[in-house]
Amino acid sequence: DSGVTQTPKHLITATGQRVTLRCSPRSGDLSVYWYQQSLDQGLQFLIQYYNGEERAKGNILERFSAQQFPDLHSELNLSSLELGDSALYFCASSEDPLSYSGNTIYFGEGSWLTVV
Amino acid sequence: AQSVTQPDIHITVSEGASLELRCNYSYGATPYLFWYVQSPGQGLQLLLKYFSGDTLVQGIKGFEAEFKRSQSSFNLRKPSVHWSDAAEYFCAVGGFSSGGYNKLIFGAGTRLAVHP
Repeated sequence: DSGVTQTPKHLITATGQRVTLRCSPRSGDLSVYWYQQSLDQGLQFLIQYYNGEERAKGNILERFSAQQFPDLHSELNLSSLELGDSALYFCASSEDPLSYSGNTIYFGEGSWLTVV
Repeated sequence: AQSVTQPDIHITVSEGASLELRCNYSYGATPYLFWYVQSPGQGLQLLLKYFSGDTLVQGIKGFEAEFKRSQSSFNLRKPSVHWSDAAEYFCAVGGFSSGGYNKLIFGAGTRLAVHP
């Protein structure tokens, strides 16, 4: 158990719909990351938040957005869903991305999204 | 551009045999290197990491990896494979931007099958 909690574990929804994936980081971790894992794209970095502020963006679509709340949990919002958005979405957390002392990113078990 | 290459998509070994999974990276600065394992339907579990110092690092479950700067490699090894090691293994390279951007770039993964 990494200490990163994601809900829901599985989600099936129709095209055009909107879903929200939730993540609670490890206790004490200020930084949250979202990754997408799909068969054709592999593991892709989406976005990173640090202590409530967006820190970096990766290959995140405009239809997707995220935020990190004052209690440090994060939500990934996926809208106007398409079949190709079906994937495993991982949340991860780490302590302080500004630390050069060997920061490690811990992953949750992921949220399986199926768009039908 | 930063990248990680895992040349072997699938590897099959017999239980008790030794294992080596290859990983080559391309990164402009001193890399931080990781190996993660993903069992079917599970999240990503950190096996080991290299940040600095001794180039041979020990991880969990009897795994080790050796960082070779001259070859831009970080191969994962295990002297005797157990059936429970069957999983997908991901090599990743990480680093920090001036803005504190802590990003992991993953390889495509190597799926390990273990024959009894």
